[in-house]
Amino acid sequence: EDKVVQSPLSLVVHEGDTVTLNCSYEVTNFRSLLWYKQEKKAPTFLFMLTSSGIEKKSGRLSSILDKKELFSILNITATQTGDSAIYLCAVEEEYGNKLVFGAGTILRVKS
Amino acid sequence: SAVISQKPSRDICQRGTSLTIQCQVDSQVTMMFWYRQQPGQSLTLIATANQGSEATYESGFVIDKFPISRPNLTFSTLTVSNMSPEDSSIYLCSVRRPTGRTGRYTFGSGTRLTVV
Repeated sequence: EDKVVQSPLSLVVHEGDTVTLNCSYEVTNFRSLLWYKQEKKAPTFLFMLTSSGIEKKSGRLSSILDKKELFSILNITATQTGDSAIYLCAVEEEYGNKLVFGAGTILRVKS
Repeated sequence: SAVISQKPSRDICQRGTSLTIQCQVDSQVTMMFWYRQQPGQSLTLIATANQGSEATYESGFVIDKFPISRPNLTFSTLTVSNMSPEDSSIYLCSVRRPTGRTGRYTFGSGTRLTVV
């Protein structure tokens, strides 16, 4: 059965800190890994990763995938209170056309 | 990416009743999905809504409890039937747009359901 495991489950940091969120996966036929940010109800898209070693960046956020070790990290530098959210990692299987989600990491940034 | 209108945004319902959630997409999409997020949990796929045929349900979810309609390529409904407090969750619809071999998934704004 496909599995996505995120760590830590929750994290409290101060503004300006850098955080690293982890996502490991076990899927039969990997197609892509996606990161989402969920603040209220709807997850919003952050990154999609398909190839190992290629860093995706968007402002203070960046992410990278290691297909050999089956994990991805999401980095957030110079954190702000607006980064407080649940960060979800999901994997799409090659033939399933659906997402399997991890449990999420709850990030709280204190001012 | 697709724009999805989902309603209602929230509702408080009596146990034993049913609620129908609607999702309208701004353009035609082949694949639509319905997810449930129970309090403190991650997203769990309920079913894939197929246009013109019966939905495909994931293990643990059945059509009698969660009937789904998909009359065309821009609209779908999920009904939560005979509700109990355990059905209190956020319900989300999602669509997949192919981008080459991969797909970009977009989510509706969600429905927060409380069953009392």
